[in-house]
Amino acid sequence: DAAVTQKPRYLIKMKGQEAEMKCIPEKGHTAVFWYQQKQSKELKFLIYFQNQQPLDQIDMVKERFSAVCPSSSLCSLGIRTCEAEDSALYLCSSSRDNSGNTLYFGEGSRLIVV
Amino acid sequence: QQQVRQSPQSLTVWEGETAILNCSYEDSTFDYFPWYHQFPGESPALLIAIRPVSNKKEDGRFTIFFNKREKKFSLHIADSQPGDSATYFCAAEGSGGSNAKLTFGKGTKLSVKS
Repeated sequence: DAAVTQKPRYLIKMKGQEAEMKCIPEKGHTAVFWYQQKQSKELKFLIYFQNQQPLDQIDMVKERFSAVCPSSSLCSLGIRTCEAEDSALYLCSSSRDNSGNTLYFGEGSRLIVV
Repeated sequence: QQQVRQSPQSLTVWEGETAILNCSYEDSTFDYFPWYHQFPGESPALLIAIRPVSNKKEDGRFTIFFNKREKKFSLHIADSQPGDSATYFCAAEGSGGSNAKLTFGKGTKLSVKS
């Protein structure tokens, strides 16, 4: 089975604090995607990388997040100043490339902002 | 602008019935259409997928029907079982550049009663 590893599983931050989540994509996968999910509902696309380069990201990520994928073995998603609305499950996923291959999801990092 | 629309939001069927989940999309450049399912407390996982060269894809009890002209596709779950109870997400992906990422529908929560 594919194994995308995410850490930490849970993190609690105060409003205004910085948060960082890490992801190790499946070995050999060159495309890495981050999604945000609130209350087990919609999977909201945040950003994706192909061969360590960011190819697309939503405005919220450009404005308040930091994301890098410097190597195919470790990527990270950071929030510079947490807001209550950032409380969610952050899912990292990877695929062999960005053309219709199966997306494998990690277990997610659950962020709670208090 | 919501590029992938999914309905119904929730669906309850009896064991043995066929559950039908519907999706529509707007971007005619989309060329890959997967369905993912997510059980409570777990990450989404690929269930079945189709490309527009076909109008039907079967895998056991799961069938995708695809209508390119109307930009619609549906998932039929035959002989539904209580173990099928989960949230199902349809998705669509284009090819190349910023379009090469999965855009998900808002999900259908399926409950199968015995």
